[in-house]
Amino acid sequence: GAGVSQSPSNKVTEKGKDVELRCDPISGHTALYWYRQRLGQGLEFLIYFQGNSAPDKSGLPSDRFSAERTGESVSTLTIQRTQQEDSAVYLCASAATSGTVEQYFGPGTRLTVT
Amino acid sequence: AQSVTQLDSHVSVSEGTPVLLRCNYSSSYSPSLFWYVQHPNKGLQLLLKYTSAATLVKGINGFEAEFKKSETSFHLTKPSAHMSDAAEYFCVVSLSPSGGYNKLIFGAGTRLAVHP
Repeated sequence: GAGVSQSPSNKVTEKGKDVELRCDPISGHTALYWYRQRLGQGLEFLIYFQGNSAPDKSGLPSDRFSAERTGESVSTLTIQRTQQEDSAVYLCASAATSGTVEQYFGPGTRLTVT
Repeated sequence: AQSVTQLDSHVSVSEGTPVLLRCNYSSSYSPSLFWYVQHPNKGLQLLLKYTSAATLVKGINGFEAEFKKSETSFHLTKPSAHMSDAAEYFCVVSLSPSGGYNKLIFGAGTRLAVHP
């Protein structure tokens, strides 16, 4: 079956522009997570969705970052007024339920802010 | 607070020799621990997981890890390295806030190089 997919795979944008990153989780997975991986570092948690609600947004770095999930499926991560420090790989993961420990990761979106 | 420390940022081994990637964790309760692998230009793949069952955990591709509570360690090993094992390896602990979900806390990663 299909895994987690993300689009675009690469995004180059100018400083100050807004970007939208998309995640399609595994069908039927109710839990969805976003992480960020800066160059040479491990992943940082950004936000968690259970269904369409986001009980934990504690990892979002600033109010320029927001995310939503519709239809208990697709999620979009939006970064407004991008800054160079936003350059990173953004990864999405899904899990069958909130209590499931195993998360399945997508290939990521590499964001470069020039 | 939960955290993981990967003791080596880079490890280099010869093909056919043993691999040891070291990880120490900090947790206020019995944790769930994982090792993930990231090959160049590929997504993260789960190698193995520990969730309070057997302390010696076997994963894919011949890797295994042993949970040692007294040493707060979860080192990853493989008896004989293969060229295809060259990748970035992440030790991960699961933080389970109230609400029953799993926030993964990643170590900084260890880059494994395998040379002929």
